Amino acid sequence: DIQMTQSPSSLSASVGDRVTITCRASQGISNYLAWYQQKPGKVPKLLIYAASTLQSGVPSRFSGSASGTDFTLTISSLQPEDVATYYCQKYNSALRTFGQGTKVEIK
Amino acid sequence: EVQLVESGGGLIQPGGSLRLSCAASGFTVSSNYMSWVRQAPGKGLEWVSSIYSGGSTYYADSVKGRFTISRDNSKNTLYVQMSSLRGEDTAVYYCARGPGGGSSPLDYWGQGTLVTVSS
Repeated sequence: DIQMTQSPSSLSASVGDRVTITCRASQGISNYLAWYQQKPGKVPKLLIYAASTLQSGVPSRFSGSASGTDFTLTISSLQPEDVATYYCQKYNSALRTFGQGTKVEIK
Repeated sequence: EVQLVESGGGLIQPGGSLRLSCAASGFTVSSNYMSWVRQAPGKGLEWVSSIYSGGSTYYADSVKGRFTISRDNSKNTLYVQMSSLRGEDTAVYYCARGPGGGSSPLDYWGQGTLVTVSS
């Protein structure tokens, strides 16, 4: 099975900072990679799919990129409402593994 | 408007069985990819099971042989039948939709239903 490894597991940054979260697939998954945001006590929300396509309604400060089996979620200017746990998920096959999550907090 | 409403959760003893339902509105369950995803208390998201529009079903190793995903097209409802439940199955269970029939991310999620496995 393909494993999805996220890093870091948590981070603390200041409002306005650029934040980067990485997800590495143990094998190639083309661009079948999604990012989800889960705010405390809330339901997960799709942010990005196909590695870099922003879901409708998602602020443009969020972006995604891919390089081989490495995928990156970037928040260009961290806002207080971005406090959440972020998960990557592969969807290139029937086994839809999630990464372990990255908790983002405000410093 | 797309909506997913889960039900059927509750407290169940180890070894017991439970069926969760996910009533959909605003779209046709049988024309889309549907998944169950769970989240144990304080833990991350875990993909559990999926059913494709064509009817193929898939399961995580942790539930294979114990859980069965199905759908009732007449009721536009997704189900998961859970048996031989264990403490580690305690979680909030979400149903979610992947638009289209195949390789797609999960764009709509239900509010979740809590399953607690304990004696």
